Amino acid sequence: SQELEQSPQSLIVQEGKNLTINCTSSKTLYGLYWYKQKYGEGLIFLMMLQKGGEEKSHEKITAKLDEKKQQSSLHITASQPSHAGIYLCGAVPLIQGAQKLVFGQGTRLTINP
Amino acid sequence: EAGVAQSPRYKIIEKRQSVAFWCNPISGHATLYWYQQILGQGPKLLIQFQNNGVVDDSQLPKDRFSAERLKGVDSTLKIQPAKLEDSAVYLCASTRGLQRGSSYEQYFGPGTRLTVT
Repeated sequence: SQELEQSPQSLIVQEGKNLTINCTSSKTLYGLYWYKQKYGEGLIFLMMLQKGGEEKSHEKITAKLDEKKQQSSLHITASQPSHAGIYLCGAVPLIQGAQKLVFGQGTRLTINP
Repeated sequence: EAGVAQSPRYKIIEKRQSVAFWCNPISGHATLYWYQQILGQGPKLLIQFQNNGVVDDSQLPKDRFSAERLKGVDSTLKIQPAKLEDSAVYLCASTRGLQRGSSYEQYFGPGTRLTVT
């Protein structure tokens, strides 16, 4: 079965610093999704990557998918308190007919002022 | 466009009691998902509906969990009887439909936080 491993599990950074969160799959990914979750709330969609080598950016967040489509990274530049939360990667298994998301365990990001 | 609605937001029950959660997806969204998220873990799919039919319920503990989406719109998830390990956030999500090759971006509700004591 598809498994996603996120690292680190938690991260504390000083406001203004850059940071990277990684997501590694045990199998080739059909699509990779990044979501953000604030405590007590649902998931907010950030970005979706589908092609090997693809890179997308939104404001200060950049996500990349490697050529083999088994690893993705989420990079935040000049972090702000609003970036704090839990970041989750989700993937569509490369199984015919599969139409669901499998999630990693999440990375808890804390931004210190 | 209104988002995915869930109720209640919080629920505390004793073990062996029953509980039900309600979800109303975004209007026009054919596919509806229920996830269980235990503290410190990512969401785990419990059941997936396409309109009023079940697509995937392979991870639903069917001895105690049940879900329905009778008219293909809103859905209820029930636990009977509840166990301590059922304490989690129950998330509902929806998408427009199932089209291979298209985006599976799911829209999530705020979740229901269940505490079983």
